[in-house]
Amino acid sequence: DAGVIQSPRHEVTEMGQEVTLRCKPISGHNSLFWYRQTMMRGLELLIYFNNNVPIDDSGMPEDRFSAKMPNASFSTLKIQPSEPRDSAVYFCASTVGGAPGTQYFGPGTRLLVL
Amino acid sequence: EDQVTQSPEALRLQEGESSSLNCSYTVSGLRGLFWYRQDPGKGPEFLFTLYSAGEEKEKERLKATLTKKESFLHITAPKPEDSATYLCAVQRDAGNNRKLIWGLGTSLAVNP
Repeated sequence: DAGVIQSPRHEVTEMGQEVTLRCKPISGHNSLFWYRQTMMRGLELLIYFNNNVPIDDSGMPEDRFSAKMPNASFSTLKIQPSEPRDSAVYFCASTVGGAPGTQYFGPGTRLLVL
Repeated sequence: EDQVTQSPEALRLQEGESSSLNCSYTVSGLRGLFWYRQDPGKGPEFLFTLYSAGEEKEKERLKATLTKKESFLHITAPKPEDSATYLCAVQRDAGNNRKLIWGLGTSLAVNP
């Protein structure tokens, strides 16, 4: 298996623009997690899905952030409008539902908002 | 409030110099504690799961242990390729919640 796939790997955009991050989980995994990582705050869970249904979105910073999982093999995280404080590395991870601690992470998307 | 604290923030060792990393946690009911390794520019990679006090897990030069308040990651005779950031996370015993609470990590550098 190719592992968790994320795109783009790097994104540079200007404040106010819309940003869409994409994730393809490992086939057969039914839980998907979106994280944001910064030096100051470490890894923060934004939202996670179980069987394509959002379960906990309490980590989504504000209404500018939204996430969807239309099917078992694809998820998006959208930021609209983007702000400089959104600059971070965004990770997607997936796992089998019965082992939530054993998460497989993608390579991340490094986002810079100017 | 659930919290995970890792220490030290950074550690520099000589090759072969054994040491331990600490992960202390406060959580209302522990379902599991997890150790991950993160290399620069990559996503975290799972290492160990610990479920109950007294449990130990080993993998090559790494051994993880768990008490009721903290976990240690012991590194025996480290090599330069062990250089990475080591992250600790806990899962609270709360129904079907799969959310992990993460520490900020310990950045380990092993000099040849």
